[in-house]
Amino acid sequence: AQKITQTQPGMFVQEKEAVTLDCTYDTSDPSYGLFWYKQPSSGEMIFLIYQGSYDQQNATEGRYSLNFQKARKSANLVISASQLGDSAMYFCAMREGGLTGGGNKLTFGTGTQLKVEL
Amino acid sequence: KAGVTQTPRYLIKTRGQQVTLSCSPISGHRSVSWYQQTPGQGLQFLFEYFSETQRNKGNFPGRFSGRQFSNSRSEMNVSTLELGDSALYLCASSLALTGTENTEAFFGQGTRLTVV
Repeated sequence: AQKITQTQPGMFVQEKEAVTLDCTYDTSDPSYGLFWYKQPSSGEMIFLIYQGSYDQQNATEGRYSLNFQKARKSANLVISASQLGDSAMYFCAMREGGLTGGGNKLTFGTGTQLKVEL
Repeated sequence: KAGVTQTPRYLIKTRGQQVTLSCSPISGHRSVSWYQQTPGQGLQFLFEYFSETQRNKGNFPGRFSGRQFSNSRSEMNVSTLELGDSALYLCASSLALTGTENTEAFFGQGTRLTVV
């Protein structure tokens, strides 16, 4: 089974609107972390937001928030007030700790290409 | 504070050659991970080094190797290059000592390798 699933290959959103990018994950490890990264066409992976499996509240970073539903194993990224500069590929990733060895291995989803339109 | 620096940014190599890529992590970060990104396979984990020791390894052939120096800088080497090794190679640095710690992994801009 895929550890990280992003079911939206591409998304369009109007400027200034909010958009939700979906991510579901699969792990039997009780300790894990979930990340979202943005990758513009230049190739650099830009860290956006992090959610730990034991965090009680949803993570927020400026216009980015993570809708964490642990029982459903989902970690959707919400971008509020979209801007043209948000057009990029977005990746959801997971780092498993504890039972599966820990360290900093990230498992990535296949990504969602977001296009912000005027 | 300087970010993660990868050199070179672009490389063109011929099949059968070998290549060495370099990654300088953020100052104070002791963990460096390497990833390969291709259109077909997406982002795949190669290996992680922490305090000069390989801590994790992905499912890649032995032609892919790496090392980390005492200043935490890391290199990865690919020997006997194949056309399929053409990819964007990204490295990430992190403070995290274990997988449970709440720290980000910061990426460099990547090295784009083309094998002809």
